Amino acid sequence: DAKTTQPNSMESNEEEPVHLPCNHSTISGTDYIHWYRQLPSQGPEYVIHGLTSNVNNRMASLAIAEDRKSSTLILHRATLRDAAVYYCILRAGDLRAGSYQLTFGKGTKLSVIP
Amino acid sequence: DADVTQTPRNRITKTGKRIMLECSQTKGHDRMYWYRQDPGLGLRLIYYSFDVKDINKGEISDGYSVSRQAQAKFSLSLESAIPNQTALYFCATSELDTDTQYFGPGTRLTVL
Repeated sequence: DAKTTQPNSMESNEEEPVHLPCNHSTISGTDYIHWYRQLPSQGPEYVIHGLTSNVNNRMASLAIAEDRKSSTLILHRATLRDAAVYYCILRAGDLRAGSYQLTFGKGTKLSVIP
Repeated sequence: DADVTQTPRNRITKTGKRIMLECSQTKGHDRMYWYRQDPGLGLRLIYYSFDVKDINKGEISDGYSVSRQAQAKFSLSLESAIPNQTALYFCATSELDTDTQYFGPGTRLTVL
């Protein structure tokens, strides 16, 4: 399965933008790039996902490199509530074929400084 | 009310005991998952189920078994608990045609 590489930790000032990088150099053509986050003492929470084009939703933006070997999760204005571990995940396999699996790595721990 | 619930939320048990963790969902999703989280290791998939009759092993299924009693219920069992099964366990669900997974609040299991 394709793997992802993320920095162990990052810091951001409150109300500043945050760019969380993820490398996935062995991504296959059918792999989607997902981002989840996990706040302290909670279960993971879906943030965003994409395939080739950049994506925006109410929580964040996802910028995908043209060669798809890296991506960046963008939080436009970090708040204290955004302090969490952020996971970049590749979906391996074909949902329809039933070989679905999400593999979580260690993620990036984001600290937000007031 | 929460869409994905897990019981118990915390459990302390002894080596060799049988224990069951339960997960229920009101989202109407077909797919359900059990993950385990250990400090510094992220989440690892134990089992997943695409419907009541379709159960699949994940990355670390040894020492675990599951039962899908209904679309809404997916239980994880440890037949004979051992200390290295001490971890945080999460249940999740997803729709048939989307990639988004919805997680429960977790069960903290300690095996002494």
